[in-house]
Amino acid sequence: DIQMTQSPSSVSAYVGDRVTITCRATQGVAQWLAWYQLKPGKAPQLLIYSASNLQPGVPSRFSGSGSGTDFTLTINNLQPEDFAVYFCQQAHTVPLTFGGGTKVE
Amino acid sequence: EVQLVESGGGAVQPGGSLRLSCAASGFIFEDFAMHWVRQVPGRGLEWVSGVKWNGEKVGYADSVKGRFIISRDNTKTSLTLEMNSLTTADTAIYYCTKGKTQLLDSPNEYWGQGALVIVSS
Repeated sequence: DIQMTQSPSSVSAYVGDRVTITCRATQGVAQWLAWYQLKPGKAPQLLIYSASNLQPGVPSRFSGSGSGTDFTLTINNLQPEDFAVYFCQQAHTVPLTFGGGTKVE
Repeated sequence: EVQLVESGGGAVQPGGSLRLSCAASGFIFEDFAMHWVRQVPGRGLEWVSGVKWNGEKVGYADSVKGRFIISRDNTKTSLTLEMNSLTTADTAIYYCTKGKTQLLDSPNEYWGQGALVIVSS
């Protein structure tokens, strides 16, 4: 199975900051990488798919990049509603696998 | 509007069985893969199982392979997860999700609100 490693596991930030989260796969997944946001008591939300494509309805301050084994999620101008946990997921090979999560606090 | 409504969660003893169902609406169900993803409260996400648009291909996480069975009924726009030989490690919130494409290996575009499964003696 493909293992996904996120870093950092948590990051402290202020409103208006830029936050960068990285995700590394144990083998190449081409561009088949997705990012999700998880808030307490709510269902996860897809933010980015195919490494860099913004899911409709997601604010443009979210962006993704990378291919192969190394990927990045960037949140520009962090807003109060962005404090949450973020997960990456490889959608290249079944079983699909998630990273361990990054808490933005 | 895409709606995914899970049912069938609850408490069960170790070794027991449970069936989760998901009623889908607001999209052409037969055009998309469907998945189950679980979350242990306060912890991470784990993809559990998925089924291709036509039901001809399914996949499972290693942790549930041989115990869980996924199926879909395109005529009833429903998704089912049969869970057998449950252990305490299966305790989690189970989400029904819509794939972004018809293929099994596609991200989870829309999520239901989740069904809580508690395995405890």
